Amino acid sequence: GQQVMQIPQYQHVQEGEDFTTYCNSSTTLSNIQWYKQRPGGHPVFLIQLVKSGEVKKQKRLTFQFGEAKKNSSLHITATQTTDVGTYFCAGRANQGGKLIFGQGTELSVKP
Amino acid sequence: GAVVSQHPSRVICKSGTSVKIECRSLDFQATTMFWYRQFPKQSLMLMATSNEGSKATYEQGVEKDKFLINHASLTLSTLTVTSAHPEDSSFYICSASTTSRSTDTQYFGPGTRLTVL
Repeated sequence: GQQVMQIPQYQHVQEGEDFTTYCNSSTTLSNIQWYKQRPGGHPVFLIQLVKSGEVKKQKRLTFQFGEAKKNSSLHITATQTTDVGTYFCAGRANQGGKLIFGQGTELSVKP
Repeated sequence: GAVVSQHPSRVICKSGTSVKIECRSLDFQATTMFWYRQFPKQSLMLMATSNEGSKATYEQGVEKDKFLINHASLTLSTLTVTSAHPEDSSFYICSASTTSRSTDTQYFGPGTRLTVL
């Protein structure tokens, strides 16, 4: 079945350093979404990417969707302590289909 | 934005009892609701998908007789964990989908932490 792999599992950075998490799907995706889950909290929707090669920015966050629509990345520039949490990608093989979550990348930021 | 509530937020019960968790979309009508469970430090695992007025679709390995899902209206879905056992202790999260042409977003509830003694 469809699998979504996410790396790294953990990332520890110094405040101000950059951070990237990568997501790879075993199948071509209709769209991919990114979520952030703070410790003890629930996933919060960040963004959805639909088009091949799409790049979207939200302040210090940059999201990319690969040309083949099988991989994606989230890059945070100059991390802050408020960025702490687990970032999940979630891919959908077709519109209205099941959303498959990656394993998540847990980010910790040392002040 | 779309708000999804979940009740209760925490529940502790004895082994063998049943627990009902409610998921409500507060400011939109949810055509589809999803139920996930999440173990500590792990990802979200989809348990079932429910559409209003029809039977839920369960993922492989999820016992439909143990995890009863009712989606009676466009704003409410319930998950009942029947005859709960300690291995059912987990974080249960619902999400609601408001599908449109431009987005296909799921909005998550705050989750219910179930502890079975």
